[in-house]
Amino acid sequence: RKEVEQDPGPFNVPEGATVAFNCTYSNSASQSFFWYRQDCRKEPKLLMSVYSSGNEDGRFTAQLNRASQYISLLIRDSKLSDSATYLCVVTIGAGNTPLVFGKGTRLSVIA
Amino acid sequence: NAGVTQTPKFRVLKTGQSMTLLCAQDMNHEYMYWYRQDPGMGLRLIHYSVGEGTTAKGEVPDGYNVSRLKKQNFLLGLESAAPSQTSVYFCASIGFTGTGVEQYFGPGTRLTVT
Repeated sequence: RKEVEQDPGPFNVPEGATVAFNCTYSNSASQSFFWYRQDCRKEPKLLMSVYSSGNEDGRFTAQLNRASQYISLLIRDSKLSDSATYLCVVTIGAGNTPLVFGKGTRLSVIA
Repeated sequence: NAGVTQTPKFRVLKTGQSMTLLCAQDMNHEYMYWYRQDPGMGLRLIHYSVGEGTTAKGEVPDGYNVSRLKKQNFLLGLESAAPSQTSVYFCASIGFTGTGVEQYFGPGTRLTVT
């Protein structure tokens, strides 16, 4: 089993839609969880950390379910500028390093 | 890129040649990482460092060596380049503050081995 698995995508959604990305991780000792965004031919950029209680940043909501080893990212009211690849990232051990990336889910928001 | 730079940005090598990629950060971060990204494979960890003078192997370390002689620099070396090492290489720098985590990637190095 891969350490971090994501929906393969791609997701093509109209502007204004709500879209959800899911991610599962295999190491139950993992402690830190993140969502990154990567635009075509650019470096990944941290979108948000994921906390046990769930957290929200504007139109973005991240959830963590430790029992199921599952992470999600919800984007509400999608914008054209949200088009990118979204990467689920997990620390694979009991410490905070190293980071392991999922393969990413590509999102295209269509006008 | 909030203080993470990579040198060079592009490079073409012939099989068997060697080169060193330089990653530099000015944020006093302890952790630095080297990843490679290939189509359909996502980002894969090559080597990483949790502090000056320390290095560790990641998922795909074969064919690469690293050094962290200074805290701000993390070097990735290819002693004898192979076509399979054609990829985009990203360096990352991570630091933990009292309020959270800072994570930044460099702009990448596009390497082609012919």
